[in-house]
Amino acid sequence: SAVISQKPSRDICQRGTSLTIQCQVDSQVTMMFWYRQQPGQSLTLIATANQGSEATYESGFVIDKFPISRPNLTFSTLTVSNMSPEDSSIYLCSVRRGETQYFGPGTRLLVL
Amino acid sequence: AQSVSQHNHHVILSEAASLELGCNYSYGGTVNLFWYVQYPGQHLQLLLKYFSGDPLVKGIKGFEAEFIKSKFSFNLRKPSVQWSDTAEYFCAVYTGGFKTIFGAGTRLFVKA
Repeated sequence: SAVISQKPSRDICQRGTSLTIQCQVDSQVTMMFWYRQQPGQSLTLIATANQGSEATYESGFVIDKFPISRPNLTFSTLTVSNMSPEDSSIYLCSVRRGETQYFGPGTRLLVL
Repeated sequence: AQSVSQHNHHVILSEAASLELGCNYSYGGTVNLFWYVQYPGQHLQLLLKYFSGDPLVKGIKGFEAEFIKSKFSFNLRKPSVQWSDTAEYFCAVYTGGFKTIFGAGTRLFVKA
């Protein structure tokens, strides 16, 4: 398994501002994943972050809006930039060990 | 494209009723299959998984799932639900590469 922590656990932000979410894993992993879970919907993959290279973004997500850092094999950050109310969501950090995906507790974001 | 469909968005049951949540996937090759659960206010947890071997897999809290290859299905079952099973359940498929595909989720509400 994997133990994943995220900070902050929740935040309320004003539109136009940015929020950086941190993700820490208990041991080294090659790939870290960032998901979004909007109210009443399933998980949507935002991007995959490899250490030492640029993140790979899914269709509909761009680096300018969701910049990601991956400075080492146990840590990553996701920034939600220039926020709007449509960005209100739960943001989840995830890793895969073998074929199994594990998730952090999520960051619940509300944009006013 | 690969996809996962869950048949019911919402299910309401009384305690002690039997549960079956449907999950079908579209992919013709080898798959790894998962059910995740998200209890109210908690993060996603792995309920059970199938990689190979016996197509009937048992998970935590009395849940089981059956992989039927010919039907591309991986339905989740529990013979007698409890109020504490109220949660959202996600079916997921990993086909190799780096993405896990999630279904839209089924919200289960168990009446006491």
